[in-house]
Amino acid sequence: AQSVTQLGSHVSVSEGALVLLRCNYSSSVPPYLFWYVQYPNQGLQLLLKYTSAATLVKGINGFEAEFKKSETSFHLTKPSAHMSDAAEYFCAVSAPGETSGSRLTFGEGTQLTVNP
Amino acid sequence: EAEVAQSPRYKITEKSQAVAFWCDPISGHATLYWYRQILGQGPELLVQFQDESVVDDSQLPKDRFSAERLKGVDSTLKIQPAELGDSAMYLCASSLVGVAGGQETQYFGPGTRLLVL
Repeated sequence: AQSVTQLGSHVSVSEGALVLLRCNYSSSVPPYLFWYVQYPNQGLQLLLKYTSAATLVKGINGFEAEFKKSETSFHLTKPSAHMSDAAEYFCAVSAPGETSGSRLTFGEGTQLTVNP
Repeated sequence: EAEVAQSPRYKITEKSQAVAFWCDPISGHATLYWYRQILGQGPELLVQFQDESVVDDSQLPKDRFSAERLKGVDSTLKIQPAELGDSAMYLCASSLVGVAGGQETQYFGPGTRLLVL
């Protein structure tokens, strides 16, 4: 069974600073990995996903993530934070070869605060 | 841009009452998912449909929860009777095909926030 651990339930950065949100996964097979963003009282929006092509994945709103198999990590970064980036971010994994369904297993989430 | 629709957006009920949530996926999407998100946690899959058939309901509390997608389009999730611990956000998502273990993007609706008193 696959699982995801997000290190740090709350991250606070200054506007213009680097954003780094950490995600480590556990999977018995090479996984597919996703980052979603959730604004208050809204559903989840896909930022980017890794599907075994390029290990550096670029997403929307200037975010990118790098798949590192040796570290079982898929950390999310953005060079310069904007106030509008304040939201909750979820890392998720799905496992190729599942015999039933295509469920996403989510981490606990990281709340990003951007200070002016 | 096509979106997943859910209603109601908010629901307050008393314990032991019945509640129902509705979801209309993006047109043409064969796969529909219901997730439950408890405050401060990530979403957890309750049930997955492929067209009108249930593919995965291993985490659905079947003594009180039921879900249907009769014509393979929209879906209803029901709780009867509701308990205090059911207070959560209920999210519906859809994807085009839903290949097992797939890499498809799941598109989420705005959710229904349930409060059980």
